[in-house]
Amino acid sequence: QVQLQESGPGLVKPSQTLSLTCSVSGGSISSGDDYWSWIRQHPGKGLEWIGYIYYSGSTYYNPSLRSRTIITVDTSKNQFSLKLRSVTVADTAVYYCASGRGAGDWFDPWGQGTLVTVSS
Amino acid sequence: QSVLTQPPSVSGAPGRRVIISCTGSSSNIGAAYDVHWYQHLPGTAPKLLIYGNTNRPSGVPDRFSGSKSGTSASLAITGLQAEDEADYYCQSYDSSLNVSVFGGGTKLTVL
Repeated sequence: QVQLQESGPGLVKPSQTLSLTCSVSGGSISSGDDYWSWIRQHPGKGLEWIGYIYYSGSTYYNPSLRSRTIITVDTSKNQFSLKLRSVTVADTAVYYCASGRGAGDWFDPWGQGTLVTVSS
Repeated sequence: QSVLTQPPSVSGAPGRRVIISCTGSSSNIGAAYDVHWYQHLPGTAPKLLIYGNTNRPSGVPDRFSGSKSGTSASLAITGLQAEDEADYYCQSYDSSLNVSVFGGGTKLTVL
């Protein structure tokens, strides 16, 4: 059974870069069936899809965040990562990693999420 | 403001039935994109409840069912149990935004 776990700093200063890693266990990130996504939830709000990466390295980002987002994959470590540049307090959220099968498909499983606070 | 609209809260007594609605538009649910549902307890990983409008993953009780019509979808929960108390989210795809979109979530309270 595939499990995902997010890791990274819980506090980031404004204008800096938010960096998170998702470790995949119980399966290979290179299996070829899955697209590996990042999703976030602002405090008290709904969910926002950030983007995904395929094991080959191809990516697709939410147009609203595209200019600041980079998602990378490290198949040797069975991990994928998120970098969000020039953060503001509006980027404070719980960040989840999740596995999906492509645009419009469902996400399963998810990580338990990690809270990132942007504050000076 | 979420692209898909859900009621902020619903409630029901143990053993009763509740329905959670998810309203979209012609660029998402109305465009025949599938709707998926998740159950979420804060601090835990969201759990897939329904995929492809009506399908339950292995292990999800048949007390949970999904339906879709026009620009809306619904999640029905029968035989309410205390353990069902959680937040529920719908998800679909929006062809004008070209992203997966979610509802704002519905908090279910079991009275």
